[in-house]
Amino acid sequence: QVQLVQSGAEVKKPGASVKVSCKASGNTFTNFAMYWVRQAPGQRLEWMGWLNAANANTKYSQRFQGRVSITRDTSASTAYMELSSLRSEDTAVYYCASSDWGSYFFDIWGQGTRVTVSS
Amino acid sequence: QSALTQPASVSGSPGQSITISCTGTSGDVGGYNYVSWYQQHPGKAPKLLIYDVSNRPSGFSNRFSGSKSGNTASLTISGLQAEDEADYYCSSYTSSFSYVFGTGTKVTVL
Repeated sequence: QVQLVQSGAEVKKPGASVKVSCKASGNTFTNFAMYWVRQAPGQRLEWMGWLNAANANTKYSQRFQGRVSITRDTSASTAYMELSSLRSEDTAVYYCASSDWGSYFFDIWGQGTRVTVSS
Repeated sequence: QSALTQPASVSGSPGQSITISCTGTSGDVGGYNYVSWYQQHPGKAPKLLIYDVSNRPSGFSNRFSGSKSGNTASLTISGLQAEDEADYYCSSYTSSFSYVFGTGTKVTVL
């Protein structure tokens, strides 16, 4: 049974960066596609990007291009999402999700990480 | 990439069937059989309900079914139960090798 465990809540000032981690267990990490999705308070889900855990290839939503970076550490079975130049509109719950590479859906979800951007 | 269009809310009485639509374009819903649906209860992470238009993950209730016609996908919940009250989101793979979510639908059990 695959499980994803995310890092804890963060409070950041405008202009800062945040890095959220997502540790996978229960299957071979390099078989995964890892995704990041965020949800602002009371708003819809918003896809941010994906990472091929085998070769670290990435694809980002145009909306976040230039501000987001998704990386991984295969030895730790962990994916990371870093968002820079934070503004108040980035206050949201950030979810990681995974599926087997070659699937086109978000199979397993992490518990979410709340990021608050406030001066 | 614009969000897929879903009705803001749908309601039904226990035991009834309801259908949620998800409308996109030929660059997403209409172009690929990679539509998925997610259920999200308040304060919880989303959960996969349907993948590849009409497939259910193992162990998930067969009261949930999916279909697609042209640029519109649909999720049907039959035999509506109180625990089905939640937000529902569709998602599609797109022609730009990315994904897009729907605007979300709040299901209320009367």
